[in-house]
Amino acid sequence: DAGITQSPRYKITETGRQVTLMCHQTWSHSYMFWYRQDLGHGLRLIYYSAAADITDKGEVPDGYVVSRSKTENFPLTLESATRSQTSVYFCASRVTSGNTYEQYFGPGTRLTVT
Amino acid sequence: QKEVEQNSGPLSVPEGAIASLNCTYSDRGSQSFFWYRQYSGKSPELIMFIYSNGDKEDGRFTAQLNKASQYVSLLIRDSQPSDSATYLCAVNLNQAGTALIFGKGTTLSVSS
Repeated sequence: DAGITQSPRYKITETGRQVTLMCHQTWSHSYMFWYRQDLGHGLRLIYYSAAADITDKGEVPDGYVVSRSKTENFPLTLESATRSQTSVYFCASRVTSGNTYEQYFGPGTRLTVT
Repeated sequence: QKEVEQNSGPLSVPEGAIASLNCTYSDRGSQSFFWYRQYSGKSPELIMFIYSNGDKEDGRFTAQLNKASQYVSLLIRDSQPSDSATYLCAVNLNQAGTALIFGKGTTLSVSS
């Protein structure tokens, strides 16, 4: 039972390059999320998806693109990476539990933009 | 700006003591509240959630919610060195569950 996997786990890229971070979940959860975590800012929502082909912006979407053609996959693309996008990126999926929602996180991708 | 505030710590407690972690939030319309534990270099792990005023207990963990005071806390009884981690408070701002705002976390250190 893998749950949520992310790849790559570590990535170094250069400014201006396009990079795609992958997220795969085995639970068939409808909702999936992308967060970034930076010192001094905590976790911030980039984009989320309610289902295949349904995505919406979060708190910090600029410079990122998402797609969701299949329920189990939710890739995040940095179209032209900048140093400010150096961060740890977490994917999460959500399960409904009674009156509330619980989000479960993948292992994260540490991205460095040089 | 919707905010979730936590003391950054570190909060240091001896093994066996009760650790008390606190969180305040700015949006009175917040729907549900979560505590995540994050070990260094790892992803956040959900340990508790609460959505009604009062206390919710799960093993050594108790979450407390006071919506009137916009305050949520986490008590860890019989603290163990393995509890040493950063604890993130998260608040869900909407009924759809798509606006989870995180605090910056409190670092807990339990000494043996």
